[in-house]
Amino acid sequence: DIQMTQSPSSLSASVGDRVTIACRASRNINSYLNWYQQKPGKAPKLLIYAASSLQSGVPSRFSGSGSGTDFTLTISDLQPEDVATYYCQQSYSSPWTFGQGTRVEIK
Amino acid sequence: EVQLLESGGALVQPGGSLRLSCAASGFTFKNYAMSWVRQAPGKGLEWVSGISGSGGNTYYADSVKGRFTFSRDNSKDMLYLQMNSLGAEDTAIYYCAKAPNWNWGPGAWFDPWGQGTLVTVSS
Repeated sequence: DIQMTQSPSSLSASVGDRVTIACRASRNINSYLNWYQQKPGKAPKLLIYAASSLQSGVPSRFSGSGSGTDFTLTISDLQPEDVATYYCQQSYSSPWTFGQGTRVEIK
Repeated sequence: EVQLLESGGALVQPGGSLRLSCAASGFTFKNYAMSWVRQAPGKGLEWVSGISGSGGNTYYADSVKGRFTFSRDNSKDMLYLQMNSLGAEDTAIYYCAKAPNWNWGPGAWFDPWGQGTLVTVSS
């Protein structure tokens, strides 16, 4: 199975800050990497697919980059509504696996 | 608007069985693969099972293989997850989620997700 490792596990930043979350795959997954946002008590929501494609309706302050084994989710202008846990997920091979999550809080 | 509504979650004793359902609407159901993803209390996400649009192909995580059966009724736009030999490790919120095309393969993703149904395995 492909292991996905996110860092950091949690972070606290101020409104307006640029926030970066890293995700590393245990082997090459090309660009088969998706990002999800899960707000407290809610179902996950797709933000980014294929490493860098923004899902329809998602604010443009969210962006994704990377390929191979190293990927990044960036929130360019952190807003209070971005408080959530963010997960990466590889779609290169079954079983589809997720990172352990990164909790984002407002300082 | 695509909507997914899970049901069937309950408190069940260890070793017991349960069947979850997911009602889909807002899209041509038979054309899309579907999955179940679960989340244990306070933990991360774990993919459980997937099924192709026709129902002819099913996929399972090793943790549930041989115990869970994923099926669909394309005439009713319904998904079913039959769960047998349940243990405490199966306690979780179970979400159904839609794929972007008819079968699971490289490049797929989960979107959207239902609101989830809670399964608690405890004596």
